[in-house]
Parts: sequence; C-alpha cells; structure tokens
Amino acid sequence: QVQLVQSGAEVKKPGSSVKVSCKASGGTFSSYTISWVRQAPGQGLEWMGRIIPIFGTADYAQQFQGRVTITADESTSTAYMELSNLGSEDTAVYYCARDLVSGMTTVVTLGSWGQGTLVSVSS
Amino acid sequence: DIQMTQSPSSLSASVGDRLTITCRASQSIRSNLNWYQQKPGKAPNLLISVASSLQSGVPSRFSGSGSGTDFTLTISSLQPEDFATYYCQQSYTIPPTFGGGTKVEIK
Repeated sequence: QVQLVQSGAEVKKPGSSVKVSCKASGGTFSSYTISWVRQAPGQGLEWMGRIIPIFGTADYAQQFQGRVTITADESTSTAYMELSNLGSEDTAVYYCARDLVSGMTTVVTLGSWGQGTLVSVSS
Repeated sequence: DIQMTQSPSSLSASVGDRLTITCRASQSIRSNLNWYQQKPGKAPNLLISVASSLQSGVPSRFSGSGSGTDFTLTISSLQPEDFATYYCQQSYTIPPTFGGGTKVEIK
C-alpha cells in the first residue's frame, strides 16, 4: 500500500512562489500518475494537474496554466508542485494523490492521498 | 469542463437512517464517476469508483449507482463514523472535476 507524505505548512507573501513535495513509499512510483488537488478553507476540491514520473509528462488545469509546474524525481520517489505569483485566493490545503491504476489515461481515480499541506498567503 | 452538481449540499440525519446523495453531470460521463468521503482535517478517501465499484475495506452499507448523467451514493444504515462530507468526481475526461460536496451532519 503506497504512502504519500507531504512537506510541511508554508506561509508566503503575495507574489511569491511555493513548492510542495510529496514523497511516496511502499509502492511503485514511476508508472502511476500523481495529481495535485487543492481545497480552499471551507470549500470543495479542485484538480490542478498531474504527472506520470516515468515519462515526466505533466498536464494542467487551464485555470492554473502558466502558474503551476508539476515535476517528479524518480530517484527519490518524490513529486513536486510549484505555484507562482501567489495571491490570497491561493490560501488552501494542497494534496497530492496517486491514481488507482498505472498509466496515463483520461481516467483519473485518486486512490491514495497525502496528508495535505496548508499554504497560507498573507502580507 | 464538465460540471458536476451534487444535491443536497448538506443534510441532517440520524444513526440508522438510509441516505441518498445525488450527483449530476453536465454531459454524459458513461460510468466514469467516483465517490470520496472526507472527514474534517483529513484527506479525501476513495469509496466507490466507476459508479458502483466498492473499494477494498469500504463497508457494504455504501453503494453507488447510475450512468450517463445521473448518479447516486446510498448509505443503507448510517453509522456514527459516516458523518462526513461526500464528493463525486467525474473521471471521464481531463480535467477531472468534483461536485460541490454534501455535508452529512448528525440530527
């Protein structure tokens, strides 16, 4: 059973960037997509994008295009999500989640989740 | 993007009640619908995939049905640990999109 452990909470200034990590253990890393999903306080879930480490191929939700970069390091089984030009509206808990099945298809089913990382943006 | 609409957005129920939550897609998504449960301060947990496939370890009181645009999540007899927020998510196309959630509270 894979475990995903995320980096700790961050406090950022408006206009800055944040990079959150997600380390996988106990399962295969490279052939499963890792998605990033965020949840603003008291709000629902919003998918940001995903990567399949074996190919290094990422795709992103349109509303984050140009502002988010998702990468993966196979040697350490770690995925990263970097979000730039932060605003107060980016204050949220950011989750990484691994797909239930291997490969990269249009089907996204998030079977394993990290514990979440709170990113607070405030001047 | 495909819009997912859940109803109700919240409800109050008692232990032992039978509960149904509905989820409607803005276009046909065939059976590509997942359900998640989220408890306060925790990550979501996948309950059901492909509309009706119960994940390992999920109690059999949970069931899912539907296809096309209309789906339901049913809890046959609500237990204390089921008080949580439930989200549907379409897995038909990219980007995957979630419903707004249904918060189940204790009456």
